[in-house]
Amino acid sequence: GDSVTQMEGPVTLSEEAFLTINCTYTATGYPSLFWYVQYPGEGLQLLLKATKADDKGSNKGFEATYRKETTSFHLEKGSVQVSDSAVYFCALKEGAQKLVFGQGTRLTINP
Amino acid sequence: NAGVTQTPKFRILKIGQSMTLQCAQDMNHNYMYWYRQDPGMGLKLIYYSVGAGITDKGEVPNGYNVSRSTTEDFPLRLELAAPSQTSVYFCASSHDGYNSPLHFGNGTRLTVT
Repeated sequence: GDSVTQMEGPVTLSEEAFLTINCTYTATGYPSLFWYVQYPGEGLQLLLKATKADDKGSNKGFEATYRKETTSFHLEKGSVQVSDSAVYFCALKEGAQKLVFGQGTRLTINP
Repeated sequence: NAGVTQTPKFRILKIGQSMTLQCAQDMNHNYMYWYRQDPGMGLKLIYYSVGAGITDKGEVPNGYNVSRSTTEDFPLRLELAAPSQTSVYFCASSHDGYNSPLHFGNGTRLTVT
């Protein structure tokens, strides 16, 4: 079945550092790909998405590019802030099938 | 905008007790979902609904029941609580079942002892 694998956490960075959180997927067809973010004590929120190969999703300085050849959707940000500390989830969805989540990566940014 | 509202925020149950986790959304979304989140395990789908009167099982439905009598409400029932049901439960909704984003509630933290 479909699956999503994220890099192991937790990840700890200093403010203004460059961030990459790796995400790879396995799917039978052509899924849409998503990044969700969960701030402490809250539910998940959609951060960005891409619906076809080579699409780039972006929001709040975060970017991810849908790479079909490497089945990847890595999340990047050029300069992180303390307020970016959260848990990040990569997810995929094929058509009417249900959303499949990765295990989440906890990110902590130190001032 | 209330979005998705879950109650209660926290609950402690004894083994064998029952309870209902409430979920309501005010966005007129057809699709609603219940997930559980265990540490380091991501989210697992328990049940979902594509509209009032229609529900279906997700990956981990055992020990739970749902109903969807209105578009707005999607309660999750635990009949005989077990320690394995200790988790954080999230309700979510979406406009459709394709690329519309999911809107999540803030969760219910349940402990069964």
